[in-house]
Amino acid sequence: QKEVEQNSGPLSVPEGAIASLNCTYSDRGSQSFFWYRQYSGKSPELIMSIYSNGDKEDGRFTAQLNKASQYVSLLIRDSQPSDSATYLCAVNVDGSARQLTFGSGTQLTVLP
Amino acid sequence: GAVVSQHPSRVICKSGTSVKIECRSLDFQATTMFWYRQFPKQSLMLMATSNEGSKATYEQGVEKDKFLINHASLTLSTLTVTSAHPEDSSFYICSARQGQGTEAFFGQGTRLTVV
Repeated sequence: QKEVEQNSGPLSVPEGAIASLNCTYSDRGSQSFFWYRQYSGKSPELIMSIYSNGDKEDGRFTAQLNKASQYVSLLIRDSQPSDSATYLCAVNVDGSARQLTFGSGTQLTVLP
Repeated sequence: GAVVSQHPSRVICKSGTSVKIECRSLDFQATTMFWYRQFPKQSLMLMATSNEGSKATYEQGVEKDKFLINHASLTLSTLTVTSAHPEDSSFYICSARQGQGTEAFFGQGTRLTVV
């Protein structure tokens, strides 16, 4: 079992819809969770971090964390074509200085 | 967010030569820096973790003599690809973290083409 799993997609949603991206992780000791966005040919860009159970909202983005079920999700409301990118889920175990463990990414396409 | 600067953004070199890539944290001290490579349409592959003042920790399968990493200060890490070959052509990305449990910020990436 991979440590961090994401649906590879591709996921397509129409403009204005809600895009839902999911991520599960295997290590129950994981403490910190991050979502990165990566446009083709560019490096990843941090868009959300979440550390405690529940929802965290930032503009059109909402991260949801459920440690009991070991999943973290990202909702994008009012999706725009400019949101089309690969979204990477990253998990840090034990709050240590170790590297983040990345999922393989979900490719999102928002159709105009 | 914090700024991580990576240079050069693109480099073309001849087979057999060496290429140095720099990664700088501009507005914070990075206790740990990470080097990744990414092939087209594939996910990030961690190559090594470097801590300031100590030897880098390489991931399994990554040749430490080919990919030299130096982390001389809390704001600078360098990756040198020695005796580059066409199969080393890839997108190399660094990231830096300020401390334990914090998010990592990425440099802009370096697209290396070996001809």
